[in-house]
Amino acid sequence: DIVMTQSPLSLPVTPGEPASISCRSSQSLLHSNGYIYLDWYLQKPGQSPQLLIYLASNRASGVPDRFSGSGSGTDFTLKISRVEAEDVGVYYCMQALQIPPYSFGQGTRLEIK
Amino acid sequence: EVQLVESGGGLVKPGGSLRLSCGASGYTFKDYTMNWVRQAPGKGLEWVSSINSGGIYIHYADSVKGRFTISRDNTKNSLFLQMNSLRVDDTAVYYCVRGVSGGGRVSTFDYWGQGTLVTVSS
Repeated sequence: DIVMTQSPLSLPVTPGEPASISCRSSQSLLHSNGYIYLDWYLQKPGQSPQLLIYLASNRASGVPDRFSGSGSGTDFTLKISRVEAEDVGVYYCMQALQIPPYSFGQGTRLEIK
Repeated sequence: EVQLVESGGGLVKPGGSLRLSCGASGYTFKDYTMNWVRQAPGKGLEWVSSINSGGIYIHYADSVKGRFTISRDNTKNSLFLQMNSLRVDDTAVYYCVRGVSGGGRVSTFDYWGQGTLVTVSS
């Protein structure tokens, strides 16, 4: 099974400042068809997870453009250009290359300083 | 508007059984793969099971294989999870999740229900 590892696990950020979350996979998530099977999800406090980024770099519908995803192979990054208070929560990466099982990272908790 | 509403959670003793349901609305249910994803208290996300649109292709996490059974009724826009031989470590919020295709496979979970809590305790 592919293991997903996120860092940091906790991320305090000042509003208006940028933030970056790393996700590493134990195997490359680049398929021979050119797609990268890596998604990002955000679970806000008391809510269900919501989709942010799919196929490594595509923003889901309604996701602000301050969120961006990048990376290839085994190293991926979620960036927030300017953190807002509503961005607090736990961010998860998930791989969908070798399924089943779909596997998630441990989560990164973003908090406002 | 897509809505997924889970029900059936509750308190059950170790070794007991529970059946979760998920009612879907706002889209053509029979066209989509559906999943169950769970989250133990204070922990991260764990994919549990998936079933394709026609109910033919079914997969389980190793942790629940042989104990849980996923099914769906496309005539009633409903997804189910029959959970048998429950263990304390099955305690979690169980989310009903829609899967969508990207790059030729079901690669993304685009809608999540609010979850239903299953507590396994004596």
